[in-house]
Amino acid sequence: AQSVTQLDSQVPVFEEAPVELRCNYSSSVSVYLFWYVQYPNQGLQLLLKYLSGSTLVKGINGFEAEFNKSQTSFHLRKPSVHISDTAEYFCAVSLNSGGYQKVTFGTGTKLQVIP
Amino acid sequence: EAQVTQNPRYLITVTGKKLTVTCSQNMNHEYMSWYRQDPGLGLRQIYYSMNVEVTDKGDVPEGYKVSRKEKRNFPLILESPSPNQTSLYFCASSLFRNQQETQYFGPGTRLLVL
Repeated sequence: AQSVTQLDSQVPVFEEAPVELRCNYSSSVSVYLFWYVQYPNQGLQLLLKYLSGSTLVKGINGFEAEFNKSQTSFHLRKPSVHISDTAEYFCAVSLNSGGYQKVTFGTGTKLQVIP
Repeated sequence: EAQVTQNPRYLITVTGKKLTVTCSQNMNHEYMSWYRQDPGLGLRQIYYSMNVEVTDKGDVPEGYKVSRKEKRNFPLILESPSPNQTSLYFCASSLFRNQQETQYFGPGTRLLVL
């Protein structure tokens, strides 16, 4: 079974400062990894995903994430945040085997951008 | 426009009164799923469906039922709601050709059970 740990429940950061949201996973098989964003009172939207290949993945809105297999991490980064990035961010993992799609989500990290 | 719709968006009900939350997608996706979102717990999968008439339990199926009679619809049924089912519910869909397909989420249904 897979699991996802988001170490920080809340991350405050000043506008235009860089940010890193941490995500660690555990799985006995290879996985696909995702970051979703949830703006207030909205559903989830995909930011980026890692399937294979380059370990540095670029997503929408200037976000990127790096897959580190040895550390089982998939941290999300942005070099300069904007007020509009205030949202909750979810890391998710999907098994890379088997016959069905089971996705496990982390508990979320609330990013608060301070003007 | 490709989308997943849920109805109702907001619902207040009382313990024991049966309710159904509808979910519909217009992308011809095989896979559909229901999640509940609770503070500090993230999203937890309730049920999922790989195609018409094929459904299976997720991590927290107790107290819920689903059906998949048509490809586009995947209703969530609470036969006898209880206060611990107060939550924010999301429906999602994706293609099922392989497991890396992105899930598309509906806008959510906020349920309060008194």
